Amino acid sequence: DAGITQSPRHKVTETGTPVTLRCHQTENHRYMYWYRQDPGHGLRLIHYSYGVKDTDKGEVSDGYSVSRSKTEDFLLTLESATSSQTSVYFCAISEQLNTEAFFGQGTRLTVV
Amino acid sequence: QKEVEQDPGPLSVPEGAIVSLNCTYSNSAFQYFMWYRQYSRKGPELLMYTYSSGNKEDGRFTAQVDKSSKYISLFIRDSQPSDSATYLCAMSEAGGYQKVTFGIGTKLQVIP
Repeated sequence: DAGITQSPRHKVTETGTPVTLRCHQTENHRYMYWYRQDPGHGLRLIHYSYGVKDTDKGEVSDGYSVSRSKTEDFLLTLESATSSQTSVYFCAISEQLNTEAFFGQGTRLTVV
Repeated sequence: QKEVEQDPGPLSVPEGAIVSLNCTYSNSAFQYFMWYRQYSRKGPELLMYTYSSGNKEDGRFTAQVDKSSKYISLFIRDSQPSDSATYLCAMSEAGGYQKVTFGIGTKLQVIP
């Protein structure tokens, strides 16, 4: 398995609270991604990073921010969680942009 | 119309059967085609990766791309109960500057 660790694996939080999800890789891949997976929608890109401090928005970025201060770490923050952000979040890494990627095990987030 | 269409199933087959999983797409600029396998409550795992048209074989798995029909397939020979999972197709344009687009996944059950 590619060395990708997501934490936490499960989280329940209240509406309006900030939440940070962490992705840590040991593969030294340049590109890192955050996706959310919802029934009927497949995987949708939230944000991605192409290097330290270099990030860009994906198709469903509203309400989310990211940071990458080190090659190995990519953080996803929900500034003020809403029930519509209840989802399974996956981190992924790749050597080249938008080609084959390796995924983490996911974080199941419930906003109540 | 979605950019990538995939029948969600579920698809149930007996052990040993040949399984055919398919996706259609509308964007003629797609050049990279990927198949992922996702077990329940796990992250997607890259199975096959092809560029442009043609076939690619890896063990019991064969990926086919027909760009003229905008149709890709994944064949699984001698299917096993351990193949029971959701299979996601994914594709992206050459150059990497456009995001990867995922299908919603087909749930496969191989019955012993």
